[in-house]
Amino acid sequence: KNEVEQSPQNLTAQEGEFITINCSYSVGISALHWLQQHPGGGIVSLFMLSSGKKKHGRLIATINIQEKHSSLHITASHPRDSAVYICAVRRDNTDKLIFGTGTRLQVFP
Amino acid sequence: KAGVTQTPRYLIKTRGQQVTLSCSPISGHRSVSWYQQTPGQGLQFLFEYFSETQRNKGNFPGRFSGRQFSNSRSEMNVSTLELGDSALYLCASSPAVSNEKLFFGSGTQLSVL
Repeated sequence: KNEVEQSPQNLTAQEGEFITINCSYSVGISALHWLQQHPGGGIVSLFMLSSGKKKHGRLIATINIQEKHSSLHITASHPRDSAVYICAVRRDNTDKLIFGTGTRLQVFP
Repeated sequence: KAGVTQTPRYLIKTRGQQVTLSCSPISGHRSVSWYQQTPGQGLQFLFEYFSETQRNKGNFPGRFSGRQFSNSRSEMNVSTLELGDSALYLCASSPAVSNEKLFFGSGTQLSVL
């Protein structure tokens, strides 16, 4: 079993829909990152959080440390949100980053 | 501020050769980390440097090595290339270590023939 699991693996939405991507982990962590990767490879860091909730524009990230779970929400989705979203956790004992397998999101007009 | 710069963007090598990839972090950033991305394994951590010292290393064979210079620029080297080393190699920089937001370069796409 992977130490970081994401769901769903693939997600298709219509423009304007509310989107939720989930990340569960089984190890102790000091921080969790949400990353966005567009075709062509470039990765953008969306959020780094260790507790609570963060918001940036239409994106919201939450984390529940007790339940070892984080969610990334996209409100009013747009075709430009189409990308792979990757969850990564920094293990608290080794300080290494471990990545989920990613969620491929396609938003259609 | 210029972003993280990785060179070269594309590289084609043959089995048995060695390769050196370069990463210039954002000015003022002292931490550089390297990652390998393949369709089969996804993203995997290679190593992390801070102030010229390797802080952390992933589970890769000794053929993979790296270093960081006094100006924070970093290089990674892969010796005796294997077909399975074909991947996108990404580096990221951050101001310090551990719990800091990461800034990624565009990556070097390595193909081993």
